[in-house]
Amino acid sequence: EVQLVESGGDLVQPGGSLRLSCAASGFSFSIYWMTWVRQAPGKGLEWVANIKDDGSEKWYVDSVKGRFTISRDNAKNSLYLQMNSLRVEDTAVYYCARSKVVASWGQGTLVTVSS
Amino acid sequence: DIQMTQSPSSLSASLGDRVTITCRASQGISNSLAWFQQKPGKAPRSLIYAASSLHNGVPSKFSGTGSGTEFILTISSLQPEDFATYYCQQYNSYPFTFGPGTKVDIK
Repeated sequence: EVQLVESGGDLVQPGGSLRLSCAASGFSFSIYWMTWVRQAPGKGLEWVANIKDDGSEKWYVDSVKGRFTISRDNAKNSLYLQMNSLRVEDTAVYYCARSKVVASWGQGTLVTVSS
Repeated sequence: DIQMTQSPSSLSASLGDRVTITCRASQGISNSLAWFQQKPGKAPRSLIYAASSLHNGVPSKFSGTGSGTEFILTISSLQPEDFATYYCQQYNSYPFTFGPGTKVDIK
C-alpha cells in the first residue's frame, strides 16, 4: 500500500524558513516523480513543485520560485520542501503526492505564516 | 500559464442523479487532464488521468471525456459518498494548474 506521510509543518513568522519532509513507503520511490501541492484555508488546490525520479529536473510555480526548493533522498525514500522567505500567503496545508500525474496523496501538513 | 475554469462552481443534486461537471482550459492541452475528489478536512483523491482513464480502485460510475480545451466529468448515479468538491488539473505544460473546484452537495 502506498503511504506518504508529511511532517514539518509549524507556525512561523513572515520571513522565516521551514523544511517539510515526506516519508514514502509501499512503492519504489526512486522511479517516480514526486509533487508538492498546497491548499490555503478555505481555498482550492495549488500545484507548487515537482521533481524527477533522479532529481535532475525540478519545476516550480512562479509564486515560490527563488524561495522554495524541492529535493529528494532516494536512499531514504524521502521528499523535501525547503521554504525560505515565507509570506503570509504561503499559509496552507501542504500535500506530498506521488507522480507527475498525481496518483496518491499524503494526509498533509499545516504551515501557518503569521506574526 | 494555462488557466482552468470549471462549471458550475456548485450544484445540488439528489441521490441517484447523473451529474456532469465541465472543465475548460485556456489553450489546448491534448488529453493531459486529471480529476480529483476532495471531502472536507481530507486529502484529495485521484479519480481520472489522461482525461478518461480511471485510477486503480475508482468505481466505474465515474467517467471522463474530452480533449483539447473542453472536458467533462460524469458521475452516473450519485451516492452519499460522492458529495464532495471536484477539481480538474492540466499537466500539459508548467506550471501545472488546477481548476477552482465544483462543490457537489445534497439537494
